[in-house]
Amino acid sequence: GQQLNQSPQSMFIQEGEDVSMNCTSSSIFNTWLWYKQDPGEGPVLLIALYKAGELTSNGRLTAQFGITRKDSFLNISASIPSDVGIYFCAGLNSGGSNYKLTFGKGTLLTVNP
Amino acid sequence: NAGVTQTPKFQVLKTGQSMTLQCAQDMNHNSMYWYRQDPGMGLRLIYYSASEGTTDKGEVPNGYNVSRLNKREFSLRLESAAPSQTSVYFCASSLRQGGSPLHFGNGTRLTVT
Repeated sequence: GQQLNQSPQSMFIQEGEDVSMNCTSSSIFNTWLWYKQDPGEGPVLLIALYKAGELTSNGRLTAQFGITRKDSFLNISASIPSDVGIYFCAGLNSGGSNYKLTFGKGTLLTVNP
Repeated sequence: NAGVTQTPKFQVLKTGQSMTLQCAQDMNHNSMYWYRQDPGMGLRLIYYSASEGTTDKGEVPNGYNVSRLNKREFSLRLESAAPSQTSVYFCASSLRQGGSPLHFGNGTRLTVT
């Protein structure tokens, strides 16, 4: 099956720093999704990207759909302690059903106050 | 609105015991899913139900069965639990199969001894 390579696996940063993480694939996707999972809870959708080259923001979060359609980036600016959690990327092919959604293995973010 | 509700939140089973994980959504979504989350493995699809009355296998269906009881409810059954099924189980729903994001429950943490 398809695989997404998500990096880094984990990050330890100081409050106020900016964060960047990414996902790459050998396959082309037509939808990229970014989810965040708080400790003890289920993943929550942060940003959805539907078009190559698209740059979308949600507060301090910005995500980009790579022009090759094989990668996506998530940036968090001015991190705060509540940004702690696991961030997942997910990709979907054109016309694909959700059961074909491919998830990355996650980036564990720790923010030191 | 509660969104996606999973019960129980925690469960400990002995090898060979059976149990059913319950999931209900109040968003009038058509599609529902069961995932398992293991350290370093990300989210893996066990079974899904594209619409009421249908169910299909996902990536890791062995050892599990599901029932789409009605549009709201989708249960996951372990007939004879094994230690390899120790995991965190997430139920999710989406409005339709393709192009609509998944909404996750808060998970059931299952330990099989």
